[in-house]
Amino acid sequence: NAGVTQTPKFRILKIGQSMTLQCAQDMNHNYMYWYRQDPGMGLKLIYYSVGAGITDKGEVPNGYNVSRSTTEDFPLRLELAAPSQTSVYFCASRRDRGYEQYFGPGTRLTVT
Amino acid sequence: QKEVEQDPGPLSVPEGAIVSLNCTYSNSAFQYFMWYRQYSRKGPELLMYTYSSGNKEDGRFTAQVDKSSKYISLFIRDSQPSDSATYLCATQTGANNLFFGTGTRLTVIP
Repeated sequence: NAGVTQTPKFRILKIGQSMTLQCAQDMNHNYMYWYRQDPGMGLKLIYYSVGAGITDKGEVPNGYNVSRSTTEDFPLRLELAAPSQTSVYFCASRRDRGYEQYFGPGTRLTVT
Repeated sequence: QKEVEQDPGPLSVPEGAIVSLNCTYSNSAFQYFMWYRQYSRKGPELLMYTYSSGNKEDGRFTAQVDKSSKYISLFIRDSQPSDSATYLCATQTGANNLFFGTGTRLTVIP
């Protein structure tokens, strides 16, 4: 099992550009999450999904969008990148019965 | 008020020392408490998980929850250089609201 994979590992965007952060898991988990991690700020939940076709906002959803067309994939879309979105983005998943979240390796995004 | 407060450190200890990492939380409804370990430039991984109050031990690691004072602790005995990482406490009520502390960076010096 590859677990949770994320692409790209690194990306530099100009202000106003758009991009999609990819996340995939091969554990057949229904629950998937997107977090951002800023220095000294901990992990903040952006969006989550409880299954294909179902998504909901987390604590800091502004400036982001998600979709969940399959169980495996949960992409995060940034439409108009802003410097405030410079962060490390983590995707995670968990099985239905259980609390452990499995994290991907992260995407380091810089917006300049 | 933040849901979870954690001293960011950094914390440096000599190899073999006992390490104590602590968090406080604000919501008495939290029932699930976790410690995640995050190595540099990696994603967090679950280290310890406890439900409600009490202690849980796993090898050199002990997680402790005191719900009366809303205090969460992680103790590491006989610390090793491989324990050098950032430790994140987290609490949860429902299935989706997982609140993380800011993390404490630990360095164990050989």
